Amino acid sequence: SAVISQKPSRDICQRGTSLTIQCQVDSQVTMMFWYRQQPGQSLTLIATANQGSEATYESGFVIDKFPISRPNLTFSTLTVSNMSPEDSSIYLCSAPGGGEQYFGPGTRLTVT
Amino acid sequence: QKEVEQDPGPLSVPEGAIVSLNCTYSNSAFQYFMWYRQYSRKGPELLMYTYSSGNKEDGRFTAQVDKSSKYISLFIRDSQPSDSATYLCAMSADSWGKFQFGAGTQVVVTP
Repeated sequence: SAVISQKPSRDICQRGTSLTIQCQVDSQVTMMFWYRQQPGQSLTLIATANQGSEATYESGFVIDKFPISRPNLTFSTLTVSNMSPEDSSIYLCSAPGGGEQYFGPGTRLTVT
Repeated sequence: QKEVEQDPGPLSVPEGAIVSLNCTYSNSAFQYFMWYRQYSRKGPELLMYTYSSGNKEDGRFTAQVDKSSKYISLFIRDSQPSDSATYLCAMSADSWGKFQFGAGTQVVVTP
């Protein structure tokens, strides 16, 4: 299995500012994933982060809004830029382990 | 049409009853199927993982996959109030790849 931690666990931010979320995995993984879970909704994939290459974004998500870094095989960051209240969500990172997919505890973001 | 369909519920059952959850999907390439449990204000917790068709049992939980019907199920026997949560199905064509999630079914087990 993989143990995944995220920082911060929650934050309240003002409109127009940016927040960087950190994700740490306890083992080396090639691919990490970032998801968004809006209130009362299921999980939507934002992007796939490979170490050493640009992240691959899903339809509806762009790099300028959600820049991602992947400096090594155990760490990734997601930045939510120029935030608006519509960005209020839980942001989760995930990584595979032993053929299964594990999730971090999530970062609960509220934008006022 | 969504790739993965899941009834959002809520599904309310008395303690001790069997909880039956299911998802249907349209992409025949899906081979990896997972069920997650998510408590309020927490991240998803992996419950069951199944590759291809067949059944898998783990304690009170049984997962079934019927690829011919594009239908997966999760059964929870002897349900407990602590089983009250949202259950999400997820599936992928690759074990390491991106997963498509169902909407999640809210389950309430009443004492």
